[in-house]
Amino acid sequence: AQKVTQAQTEISVVEKEDVTLDCVYETRDTTYYLFWYKQPPSGELVFLIRRNSFDEQNEISGRYSWNFQKSTSSFNFTITASQVVDSAVYFCALRSSQGAQKLVFGQGTRLTINP
Amino acid sequence: EPEVTQTPSHQVTQMGQEVILRCVPISNHLYFYWYRQILGQKVEFLVSFYNNEISEKSEIFDDQFSVERPDGSNFTLKIRSTKLEDSAMYFCASSAQRERDTQYFGPGTRLTVL
Repeated sequence: AQKVTQAQTEISVVEKEDVTLDCVYETRDTTYYLFWYKQPPSGELVFLIRRNSFDEQNEISGRYSWNFQKSTSSFNFTITASQVVDSAVYFCALRSSQGAQKLVFGQGTRLTINP
Repeated sequence: EPEVTQTPSHQVTQMGQEVILRCVPISNHLYFYWYRQILGQKVEFLVSFYNNEISEKSEIFDDQFSVERPDGSNFTLKIRSTKLEDSAMYFCASSAQRERDTQYFGPGTRLTVL
């Protein structure tokens, strides 16, 4: 069975601080995809990134960066110089590359950036 | 930029009533999904749909639920006889043939069952 664990339920930091959101996953699949989605207070789910299991290169997009480590089954997300607009619930998700198309989500981390 | 749309944004209904939640997926997408999120909890998969049939469904998706693509643009989720525990945010998502791994979500419909 597939499982995603986001152990941090809530994180609160002051603006401009760096913050890392943890994601640990479990799967028996040899190939799979990992995702991060952002859910702002308005409620929609915004796609941030997709990572293939065979590509362990870390990725940076502006203030966002992702650290994928297959050896520890982790896919962590770092926001550098956080801003108030980053306040949201962030979900990590996992999808098998074979058959099942469903996304398996973690419980989410509520991130609050205080001015 | 194309996006998934959902109507209504909020639906209030009485227990036992039927509701239909509507979604318009991104136009060239071929894979469609419904998820739900009970308030404060994680997002849960309900069903996936491709080529006019269900390709996968979860244990949540029992006989009270059905999906349909009535025309070339809409994708609907019907709950035949709503229960209090059906109160949740329902998200529609779609993905393309070429990039079927990435699902793009709509803004959600908040369903409140009284």
